[in-house]
Amino acid sequence: DTAVSQTPKYLVTQMGNDKSIKCEQNLGHDTMYWYKQDSKKFLKIMFSYNNKELIINETVPNRFSPKSPDKAHLNLHINSLELGDSAVYFCASSHGTSKGASYNEQFFGPGTRLTVL
Amino acid sequence: AQSVTQPDIHITVSEGASLELRCNYSYGATPYLFWYVQSPGQGLQLLLKYFSGDTLVQGIKGFEAEFKRSQSSFNLRKPSVHWSDAAEYFCAVGAYSSASKIIFGSGTRLSIRP
Repeated sequence: DTAVSQTPKYLVTQMGNDKSIKCEQNLGHDTMYWYKQDSKKFLKIMFSYNNKELIINETVPNRFSPKSPDKAHLNLHINSLELGDSAVYFCASSHGTSKGASYNEQFFGPGTRLTVL
Repeated sequence: AQSVTQPDIHITVSEGASLELRCNYSYGATPYLFWYVQSPGQGLQLLLKYFSGDTLVQGIKGFEAEFKRSQSSFNLRKPSVHWSDAAEYFCAVGAYSSASKIIFGSGTRLSIRP
């Protein structure tokens, strides 16, 4: 009964390739997120969707494109992969999106370790 | 905009000893404050959170944290650590104005000495 799941767990690919990471949550949450964790463990938000609408879009290269087919899924597509994209990518979900909603607990997936060669 | 600082990159304590991990935040109003734990190879799990009321907050796994507005701090404590507490600990801050966005600190790695 995994609450937030991500596939794949590991992804090794060559520079210049295009890849996707999938995320699904079965918690009934309406908000989902993508975070990037670098080699120094620094965790930075990339995107957030609420009910399939983009609500947070940090300064991320436009090679990264999130897609939310429904509120239980948030996928991340990365074009023209670069060495600097190597990191662990975490999906998370929570209730709420209105002002004040950032007090809601975020539930994290297990992460996808992306290695670009 | 809110920000959070964890001044200790790595702390080692002996099993059974007490623990305090430091967290300082910057925000003009009352922040929402969190501590998350990340075990090796895992995602993050919420330990506890504060957004109003009693400034001493109890969490899971025997952890507690105290919100001190005068010091802009939200330090995490545990009276007696266990070897299974070895992990990365992240303090995070949210704000009323920032919808669902929270900002994470850089993390403190906790090692346990047998």
